[in-house]
Amino acid sequence: GNSVTQMEGPVTLSEEAFLTINCTYTATGYPSLFWYVQYPGEGLQLLLKATKADDKGSNKGFEATYRKETTSFHLEKGSVQVSDSAVYFCALWTYGGATNKLIFGTGTLLAVQP
Amino acid sequence: EPEVTQTPSHQVTQMGQEVILRCVPISNHLYFYWYRQILGQKVEFLVSFYNNEISEKSEIFDDQFSVERPDGSNFTLKIRSTKLEDSAMYFCASAGYSGANVLTFGAGSRLTVL
Repeated sequence: GNSVTQMEGPVTLSEEAFLTINCTYTATGYPSLFWYVQYPGEGLQLLLKATKADDKGSNKGFEATYRKETTSFHLEKGSVQVSDSAVYFCALWTYGGATNKLIFGTGTLLAVQP
Repeated sequence: EPEVTQTPSHQVTQMGQEVILRCVPISNHLYFYWYRQILGQKVEFLVSFYNNEISEKSEIFDDQFSVERPDGSNFTLKIRSTKLEDSAMYFCASAGYSGANVLTFGAGSRLTVL
């Protein structure tokens, strides 16, 4: 079935460090891929998305490239800030069946220290 | 910016009690979802709802669960007789149309069953 696997957290970085959070997926067909972010005490917010192979999603300095050959959608940011501390969820959008829905990974907690 | 509103933010209940979690989706959205996240685990799909009926439900969504859109603005999740394992964060989400593939999530309702 369709699934998402992302790296275990927590990830602890110093401010201005480079961030990578790995995400791989298993899916039939051509899913759309997403990164959602959850700041403390808030809901899930869409961070970026990519809808087809080789697309790059980007937002707020974060980016991720849809790699069909490696079934990956790794999240990167060149220089993290304390305000980036949050839980990051990789997700895929599945088509088919009675409805469409998002399937999430387990989430990765990022803690950025000043 | 339009948002999805969930109440209560936190509810504590005794095992066996009925719980109703409420959501106000974005006003012109047509597709509604409930997800849950048990602490430290994946965000899991529970149910999707369109045109006043369930479109799809997961195996988690057993006879103890029900959803309703009673008045055209609220979207509720009822758990008839709560169990300890129902303790989780419950997220409501909505989308404008089925092909939108972007869900807007609420901040979540944390349910603690004692």
